[in-house]
Amino acid sequence: GDSVTQMEGPVTLSEEAFLTINCTYTATGYPSLFWYVQYPGEGLQLLLKATKADDKGSNKGFEATYRKETTSFHLEKGSVQVSDSAVYFCALDLNSGGYQKVTFGTGTKLQVIP
Amino acid sequence: KAGVTQTPRYLIKTRGQQVTLSCSPISGHRSVSWYQQTPGQGLQFLFEYFSETQRNKGNFPGRFSGRQFSNSRSEMNVSTLELGDSALYLCASRQTGLAGNTIYFGEGSWLTVV
Repeated sequence: GDSVTQMEGPVTLSEEAFLTINCTYTATGYPSLFWYVQYPGEGLQLLLKATKADDKGSNKGFEATYRKETTSFHLEKGSVQVSDSAVYFCALDLNSGGYQKVTFGTGTKLQVIP
Repeated sequence: KAGVTQTPRYLIKTRGQQVTLSCSPISGHRSVSWYQQTPGQGLQFLFEYFSETQRNKGNFPGRFSGRQFSNSRSEMNVSTLELGDSALYLCASRQTGLAGNTIYFGEGSWLTVV
């Protein structure tokens, strides 16, 4: 079945460090790919998305490129801030059996220290 | 445009009781999904409703049920509550269109069973 694999957390970085959170997927078709962010005590917020191969999603300094050849959608940010501390979820959305189905990764906790 | 609204945000119930959670999707969104989030199990899909019909269901016991009304608002119900039902329950509504599918989450309902 479809699946999403994220790197294990927690990831601890110093402020202004470069961030990469790896995400790879397995899907039987051509999914849309998403990154969601969850701040403590809140729901999931859409961070960025890409709907087809080679698309780059970007938002708030975060970027991710849909790589079909490596089935990856790694999240990157050039300079993290303390306010970026949160849990990040990679997800794919695919039509399966006539309806859309979303599959989430297990989440990667990011902690940014001053 | 208002986001996905979930009520109540926090509630405490006793084992054996039942609970009803409510979700109002983003205006114009006809699909509503429910997820359970726990530290140990991560995000687990409960069910999805579209135009008042359940069209997909996750692997949860029959104590978990839901429904959708003609205005797309949805409720989920958990009967005979168990301690293990303590979790964050997230509702999401789906936007469809030329830009592809995207799901948006509410802030969640925190359920504690004591």
